Amino acid sequence: GESVGLHLPTLSVQEGDNSIINCAYSNSASDYFIWYKQESGKGPQFIIDIRSNMDKRQGQRVTVLLNKTVKHLSLQIAATQPGDSAVYFCAESPQGGSEKLVFGKGTKLTVNP
Amino acid sequence: SQTIHQWPATLVQPVGSPLSLECTVEGTSNPNLYWYRQAAGRGLQLLFYSVGIGQISSEVPQNLSASRPQDRQFILSSKKLLLSDSGFYLCAWREDRYGPQHFGDGTRLSIL
Repeated sequence: GESVGLHLPTLSVQEGDNSIINCAYSNSASDYFIWYKQESGKGPQFIIDIRSNMDKRQGQRVTVLLNKTVKHLSLQIAATQPGDSAVYFCAESPQGGSEKLVFGKGTKLTVNP
Repeated sequence: SQTIHQWPATLVQPVGSPLSLECTVEGTSNPNLYWYRQAAGRGLQLLFYSVGIGQISSEVPQNLSASRPQDRQFILSSKKLLLSDSGFYLCAWREDRYGPQHFGDGTRLSIL
């Protein structure tokens, strides 16, 4: 069945380092992927998305990489800051669009000063 | 710009009492609307979604129901709450099936 999982449930980095958060997905037919950031007590916040016709997309301090061969998605955060501490979720959407998204379990990122 | 509002932010209810959580979206028309529940330290569980007024799809059998009386209004209800209904409830909207979902700030529901 469809599932989106994460390699690591927690990640701890030093302020100023680069962070890499990974996500594995199982549905090879998925063609749209999203990363969300959720701070404590708040709803998930959209960070960046990527479609399957791309393998890389960059935003402000963030880059999403998509490797369709091994069904792997990653979020790279450059120069990680304390404000980046949060839980990060990946989500996928099946091919052709769907009303629903399939969410991963989340990775908790802690940035140490 | 589009905004989403959920209320209340926190709610404490006794077992067996009714529930009504409301979500409204501004700045868009005919959005897809979603209700999720999130247990502490866990991922998001989709409860209901709606692609239009009066159209509700239920994802899991449960003690809850949803309604969409207006285009940009989505309501989560229960006639009698159970202890297991405690959690963090999130509403989300999506402009079409090809874009990201955007979330409200949630309602923290505690059942006593």
